Amino acid sequence: NAGVTQTPKFQVLKTGQSMTLQCAQDMNHEYMSWYRQDPGMGLRLIHYSVGAGITDQGEVPNGYNVSRSTTEDFPLRLLSAAPSQTSVYFCASKGQGFTGELFFGEGSRLTVL
Amino acid sequence: RKEVEQDPGPFNVPEGATVAFNCTYSNSASQSFFWYRQDCRKEPKLLMSVYSSGNEDGRFTAQLNRASQYISLLIRDSKLSDSATYLCVVNRGTSYDKVIFGPGTSLSVIP
Repeated sequence: NAGVTQTPKFQVLKTGQSMTLQCAQDMNHEYMSWYRQDPGMGLRLIHYSVGAGITDQGEVPNGYNVSRSTTEDFPLRLLSAAPSQTSVYFCASKGQGFTGELFFGEGSRLTVL
Repeated sequence: RKEVEQDPGPFNVPEGATVAFNCTYSNSASQSFFWYRQDCRKEPKLLMSVYSSGNEDGRFTAQLNRASQYISLLIRDSKLSDSATYLCVVNRGTSYDKVIFGPGTSLSVIP
């Protein structure tokens, strides 16, 4: 009964370091996405994917990289972390159709010093 | 202009009150609409979908006006447990297009 699993839940980085936030889902969803949430800003879409091998940019893609080699996994890479990337990151997936509900992971809290 | 905008809030209402939230979206190609609820420091969860004919789920009523590109959520007989942030969500274009969230409206129900 896992749903969407994100790791790590908490991470502290220094400016310039790189890291990968992992996201896995076991619902065979084609659509997966990454959001970041900052106070007063709501959730902003970073990147999304509509299937293995297909990714596209969202509202705030700069500084982030994604790939989708399998249906289950959609990692988010920070190539050179900046303090502006301090945020809570959510991974979400959904099934086919307009009415597909988005299922979220529990979030990853990232602090960049 | 943001693609999805909401009442800024916060809304502070007494128990038993009726409260309404408004949302507007800018992309006329948007195809499906939702309200999500987010409790403090938790992941968002689907509250209800929004249909052109309007839909109701217990104390919650959602309305969609495609001509005005406007969505609303009405909560009747507010409970303490309704305190949360309510997020307006729009699925653009095809079923596999971007899912965009509004900034959210915070609701606090006061005893």
